[in-house]
Amino acid sequence: EAQVTQNPRYLITVTGKKLTVTCSQNMNHEYMSWYRQDPGLGLRQIYYSMNVEVTDKGDVPEGYKVSRKEKRNFPLILESPSPNQTSLYFCAIRGVRGEQFFGPGTRLTVL
Amino acid sequence: KQEVTQIPAALSVPEGENLVLNCSFTDSAIYNLQWFRQDPGKGLTSLLLIQSSQREQTSGRLNASLDKSSGRSTLYIAASQPGDSATYLCAADRGSTLGRLYFGRGTQLTVWP
Repeated sequence: EAQVTQNPRYLITVTGKKLTVTCSQNMNHEYMSWYRQDPGLGLRQIYYSMNVEVTDKGDVPEGYKVSRKEKRNFPLILESPSPNQTSLYFCAIRGVRGEQFFGPGTRLTVL
Repeated sequence: KQEVTQIPAALSVPEGENLVLNCSFTDSAIYNLQWFRQDPGKGLTSLLLIQSSQREQTSGRLNASLDKSSGRSTLYIAASQPGDSATYLCAADRGSTLGRLYFGRGTQLTVWP
């Protein structure tokens, strides 16, 4: 079964302090993506990757970076976090049938 | 851009009732329609995937249908149980942005004993 892991699960940080949220999968799927979930706004895609070294912006990419150096991992990087990036973040993979599987989430608070 | 709407936003029912959750989308050129369950503070659990060539999928007490022409999907839950209490999300992709899911705001379901 497809499994997506994220770390850390919870993070409290301060404005401007660079952080990375890791995402890894166990199924060698090509498509990976990041979403954020906010009350009243629902889930929105931040970035996605079609394969190694192939990444592109989703609907809300401002303030985020990603990299895809190997198929298994897709880290989300916040170079200079701000309070409006306080959110619940999910990494997702897309299986061969198109079904998407989500990680357990990372709850980020930026003070 | 794909817009996805879920009605009702919240639903509270006694145990044993059969339920219908509604999802509508604006762009009928979808590839997949997927239903998820989310428990408070937890991640998303995939319930059912309906591919564009399919009209419905079933898993246990759950049945999801898809009508692309009308831009609607429904999730039917038979004989609801308190353990079904959660938020149910539907998500549609869009043919031109394959892989990106557009989510509805969800239906918060409470099933009381």
